Amino acid sequence: GAVVSQHPSRVICKSGTSVKIECRSLDFQATTMFWYRQFPKQSLMLMATSNEGSKATYEQGVEKDKFLINHASLTLSTLTVTSAHPEDSSFYICSARDRGRGDLTYTQYFGPGTRLTVL
Amino acid sequence: DQQVKQNSPSLSVQEGRISILNCDYTNSMFDYFLWYKKYPAEGPTFLISISSIKDKNEDGRFTVFLNKSAKHLSLHIVPSQPGDSAVYFCAASAWIGSGTYKYIFGTGTRLKVLA
Repeated sequence: GAVVSQHPSRVICKSGTSVKIECRSLDFQATTMFWYRQFPKQSLMLMATSNEGSKATYEQGVEKDKFLINHASLTLSTLTVTSAHPEDSSFYICSARDRGRGDLTYTQYFGPGTRLTVL
Repeated sequence: DQQVKQNSPSLSVQEGRISILNCDYTNSMFDYFLWYKKYPAEGPTFLISISSIKDKNEDGRFTVFLNKSAKHLSLHIVPSQPGDSAVYFCAASAWIGSGTYKYIFGTGTRLKVLA
């Protein structure tokens, strides 16, 4: 159980285009989903936290108009990188917290990540 | 301000021996701690967790120890296997209100298990 999928796994786009990344919890309901970014050889950087049905909470320094997050249902959150530029190239990872797993309620389950390359 | 620190960027261990990965934190409000394993170009995989009210949790080859007074936790893997070679992240969570927990990740320790 506790499987999180991300789509696409890899995307290459031209500068100025927008890219949407989907994150789905496949076998559980996720009241909270998180979006992270990882630079090479660095830790996971939390970008934003989204609760189902409400606006995402962005971390300091993350542009909310640049990285649009929608958490429309208990199993789906999307991250849209708008007007992407080469500096947005990175590995984006989502995670979800299972609302009803007893002792594991605090546990985040991660998706496999999306490699974004902006040319 | 790095609230969760993994001071050893890398660790090499012989197969069959014990691997000990360490993590220190500064925020006493953290109430839950987790360890994740990550391979390159993949998302982290949850390994084991521990609540702040416990000092030990064991799951198969993995044991996590928590020393609250020292604000220190460690992950023990015994016996270590070559397939354990990966980057290990510790994470700490704290309640920030509105039904939300915030998770802070350490910088990771790259474990290499030598055959």
